[in-house]
Amino acid sequence: EIVLTQSPGTLSLSPGERATLSCRASQSIPSNYLAWYQRKAGQAPRLLIYGASSRAAGIPDRLSGSGSGTDFTLTISRLEPEDFAVYYCQQYGSSPLTFGGGTKVEI
Amino acid sequence: QVQLQESGPGLVKPSETLSLTCTVSGVSIRDYYWSWIRQPPGKRLEWIGNIYYSGSTNYNPSLQSRVTISADTSKNEFSLKLGSVTPADTAVYYCSRGAGWLPDYWGQGTLVTVSS
Repeated sequence: EIVLTQSPGTLSLSPGERATLSCRASQSIPSNYLAWYQRKAGQAPRLLIYGASSRAAGIPDRLSGSGSGTDFTLTISRLEPEDFAVYYCQQYGSSPLTFGGGTKVEI
Repeated sequence: QVQLQESGPGLVKPSETLSLTCTVSGVSIRDYYWSWIRQPPGKRLEWIGNIYYSGSTNYNPSLQSRVTISADTSKNEFSLKLGSVTPADTAVYYCSRGAGWLPDYWGQGTLVTVSS
């Protein structure tokens, strides 16, 4: 199975700053089927990015995804208060679907 | 809008079968894939498996021998059964809709504890 490694584990930033989250795969992800999710305590995970770089419906353009093959990045250009949460990458190009360990973005 | 709600016992005894149901509203379960995903305390999210409304299923090999996912189109819901549970199966269990294999909508999750 494809193992996903996210870094850093925790990112301490302030509103208005730029956040760069990394996701590295143990092998190339077919068709770059890599997604990013946001999760807040007590809430359902929310799909942000799919296909490595396509924003899901309603996701603001300050969030962007990039990368291909084994290295992917989620960038939040200017952090808003609602962006402080845990972010997960997930690959859906190969079964079994697998997830990264998560990056917590905190103030 | 699409909503998913997990339901089932919050406490299951070791060696018994964990049973959960996901009730879907806002969309028919036809024409989509439907998944179960879990997260044990302190561990990463783990995909359990999925089902297409026609009944075709796919399971994580790590759980395949103990898992059954089924769907009831008349009730617009799908279910998870995980047999021979141990404390290692304690987790928050999520149901989700799949656009193809991509989970796009998720339920809020339900905590299931395996303990005697």
